[in-house]
Amino acid sequence: ILNVEQSPQSLHVQEGDSTNFTCSFPSSNFYALHWYRWETAKSPEALFVMTLNGDEKKKGRISATLNTKEGYSYLYIKGSQPEDSATYLCAPGGDSWGKLQFGAGTQVVVTP
Amino acid sequence: NAGVTQTPKFQVLKTGQSMTLQCAQDMNHEYMSWYRQDPGMGLRLIHYSVGAGITDQGEVPNGYNVSRSTTEDFPLRLLSAAPSQTSVYFCASSSRVPGQGRQPQHFGDGTRLSIL
Repeated sequence: ILNVEQSPQSLHVQEGDSTNFTCSFPSSNFYALHWYRWETAKSPEALFVMTLNGDEKKKGRISATLNTKEGYSYLYIKGSQPEDSATYLCAPGGDSWGKLQFGAGTQVVVTP
Repeated sequence: NAGVTQTPKFQVLKTGQSMTLQCAQDMNHEYMSWYRQDPGMGLRLIHYSVGAGITDQGEVPNGYNVSRSTTEDFPLRLLSAAPSQTSVYFCASSSRVPGQGRQPQHFGDGTRLSIL
C-alpha cells in the first residue's frame, strides 16, 4: 500500500482567484499518476494521466505538473468558478497494470 | 453508449445476508476494479481484474469475492454482510494502450449499501 498524501484536505476559494494543491507519493517504483475530479452525488471523472517527470497537462482552466524524482504533483485551478467546486483525487500506480492507490482528496469550495 | 453500469443503486441488507453487486461495461476494457468509499478515507480498492479469468486482491478484500468470466461483467459478492461493509461502492473500468500503460478509469454511478 502506497502512502499517498493530499494537502490541504480542504480549501475555500473566492470566485476568480487561482489556487493549487499537492499530491505526494513515494518516488520509487513510479509508473503513472492519475487525477480525478469528483463532484458531490456524482462519480469521479478523469482529468489527467501523467507518466513522465516534468509532465504538464492542461484541461481548460485546470492544469497539473509532475515531479517523479521527488514524488509530488501539483494541480492548479486558474480563475476559479463555482462549478470547480469538487473533491480532487490523485492516484499513483506502480506499473502499467498496477493498482491505483487513491489519496483522500482535496475538497475545493468556490464561493461567488 | 452506456459506459459503466452498476446495479442496484441502493440496497439495505441485514447482517449475515449475502448479495451480489453487479457491474457491466460496454467499452471492451480489460481492466475493472471495485472500490469502496467511506467518509474521510477516499476510495479504497477491494478487488481488481486485468482481463477475463484474472482477478487479484486490492487494499481491503476481506469479506468480498469477485469473478470475471467475461470482459463485460465484474460482479462483487458479499458473502455474509457486516455493518462494517456499509459504504458506497464504485466499479470502474479502463483500457490499456501498449507503450502508454493504463488509461483513465471510467466510473459507474455507485451503489449505496447499508447493512443493519
